[in-house]
Amino acid sequence: GAVVSQHPSWVICKSGTSVKIECRSLDFQATTMFWYRQFPKQSLMLMATSNEGSKATYEQGVEKDKFLINHASLTLSTLTVTSAHPEDSSFYICSALNTGGETQYFGPGTRLLVL
Amino acid sequence: GNSVTQMEGPVTLSEEAFLTINCTYTATGYPSLFWYVQYPGEGLQLLLKATKADDKGSNKGFEATYRKETTSFHLEKGSVQVSDSAVYFCALTNTGNQFYFGTGTSLTVIP
Repeated sequence: GAVVSQHPSWVICKSGTSVKIECRSLDFQATTMFWYRQFPKQSLMLMATSNEGSKATYEQGVEKDKFLINHASLTLSTLTVTSAHPEDSSFYICSALNTGGETQYFGPGTRLLVL
Repeated sequence: GNSVTQMEGPVTLSEEAFLTINCTYTATGYPSLFWYVQYPGEGLQLLLKATKADDKGSNKGFEATYRKETTSFHLEKGSVQVSDSAVYFCALTNTGNQFYFGTGTSLTVIP
């Protein structure tokens, strides 16, 4: 089946620093990737839709200058949390849309802790 | 608009019990329906899907049937195991570019 990886799986950083999270589709090309945030015991909150070669589309309430998304190739999207603060601590999950465009395949998630 | 409503958890069952997690949806057109599973500390994994009315998705002993007349996609398993303990999410998409997730149902299976 389709495999999506995320790196790193765990990151701890100091307040004010920037953190980059990578999302890769390993065995298929993904023109569209999604970034989600999940708080403990809650559902996924869609942050943005990332299309290869174009600007990401952000959901209402998500600061695009805070959460920079780059989708430079058909297999890689990155999310950079700029000037991270403790309230940005969360579980970030990416997903990639398969070639048929009907199924999302999820990465294993990245747990971010900002001290 | 599009939305998914799941039964609230948590659900606790004994091993080998029968499982049903209800999911109903509201959608325009003819959506595709999904169940995803999230094990502790991990991302979501696709469990099963159905793309048109009356289709039955199945995987690992889980089943769900796309019922257009009742706008439902209930997840069932005849005999749960401890390893099925996880959070289950129902989801739909109309276009493939926008997915709508339910709030998730936590399942704990005790020996």
